[in-house]
Amino acid sequence: AQSVTQPDARVTVSEGASLQLRCKYSYSATPYLFWYVQYPRQGLQLLLKYYSGDPVVQGVNGFEAEFSKSNSSFHLRKASVHWSDSAVYFCAVSMSSGGSNYKLTFGKGTLLTVTP
Amino acid sequence: DTTVKQNPRYKLARVGKPVNLICSQTMNHDTMYWYQKKPNQAPKLLLFYYDKILNREADTFEKFQSSRPNNSFCSLYIGSAGLEYSAMYLCASRTGGAAETLYFGSGTRLTVL
Repeated sequence: AQSVTQPDARVTVSEGASLQLRCKYSYSATPYLFWYVQYPRQGLQLLLKYYSGDPVVQGVNGFEAEFSKSNSSFHLRKASVHWSDSAVYFCAVSMSSGGSNYKLTFGKGTLLTVTP
Repeated sequence: DTTVKQNPRYKLARVGKPVNLICSQTMNHDTMYWYQKKPNQAPKLLLFYYDKILNREADTFEKFQSSRPNNSFCSLYIGSAGLEYSAMYLCASRTGGAAETLYFGSGTRLTVL
């Protein structure tokens, strides 16, 4: 069955430190991969997505992610985090739901806390 | 304007009573989705409308109903709320294929007592 796994439920990093949030997926076809972020009391917002080409994709606010087909992974990175990056981060894969319909399947999310 | 709006922000319901949640979008998206989000769980797809066609997930088929009277609006209906329905309900919309972005509303937090 298709699935998305985010192994770290919570990650705490110091402001200015680098960050990696892990994501592994299981999907038999070509994956379309997404990272979404949810700030407190807001809806999910797109950070970045991958569907073809360069395996390293750039997103908003200095985030990037690297797709690895061999490892079935799509890890999110940032070189230097800011306190405002504290949020819940969701990895997702877009998969066919029959015909021309597609749906997003999400991981459980990783709560990122950036400390001063 | 990439806005998906959900009303109300918070909703209280009694066990056994019906619940109706509302979502709207002004982006002329052809597909609208409803997800259920519980603490420490992944957002779970309940159903979606592609144009006027309703698609419900197999494991929630009998628990949720929906209507889409026009392209902009979509509702989620629970006929008889149980305690297990307490959750955040997220509405989203998009148009196009697998690589297209889903746009989410801020959610409705439903508490069933």
